Amino acid sequence: GQNIDQPTEMTATEGAIVQINCTYQTSGFNGLFWYQQHAGEAPTFLSYNVLDGLEEKGRFSSFLSRSKGYSYLLLKELQMKDSASYLCAVRDAVGTDKLIFGTGTRLQVFP
Amino acid sequence: ETGVTQTPRHLVMGMTNKKSLKCEQHLGHNAMYWYKQSAKKPLELMFVYSLEERVENNSVPSRFSPECPNSSHLFLHLHTLQPEDSALYLCASSDEGVGGTGELFFGEGSRLTVL
Repeated sequence: GQNIDQPTEMTATEGAIVQINCTYQTSGFNGLFWYQQHAGEAPTFLSYNVLDGLEEKGRFSSFLSRSKGYSYLLLKELQMKDSASYLCAVRDAVGTDKLIFGTGTRLQVFP
Repeated sequence: ETGVTQTPRHLVMGMTNKKSLKCEQHLGHNAMYWYKQSAKKPLELMFVYSLEERVENNSVPSRFSPECPNSSHLFLHLHTLQPEDSALYLCASSDEGVGGTGELFFGEGSRLTVL
């Protein structure tokens, strides 16, 4: 079956570093996405990994290991505005390349 | 500011009502989607339209009826819904062209409450 696992909730302190893990089991693979969703707002695209390794974009980095079915999102120098839900999604290469989402990780940043 | 706009943002309806959700994208994309977001559940894909043709229907009940009159507009027609259909309905669009990541651009959603 198709399954995406990520922690339900995490907390961290302003200025710290936090790593949000995501593991997946899907019938196909054609890329992994991370989205950020603030309460009451639309999810917004953060990163995309299709090859193994680390993709860095400012304070955010995303890592992928296809052999392990594993990704993480790394947030550095945390700010209060980083409090949000972080959604991991895998593009299923079978059929129409639809995205399969995890339940999301709700991150709370405290001063 | 999002390139995908949804109306209405909030909707309350009875189980016998008929209503519609509207989505419009201003990004020139060629694919549009409806997702359902319920508390503590993953985003669930409901419908996919690519080049105005429906290419995916994830076994959604017939009380949900999509319509895609052109590449910029997507509707979700609702009738005889159940209370468990109460959720946030998200519209998204993407560019399915060669070389792109196909990332989704979401609207802010329509919060539906079925009484």
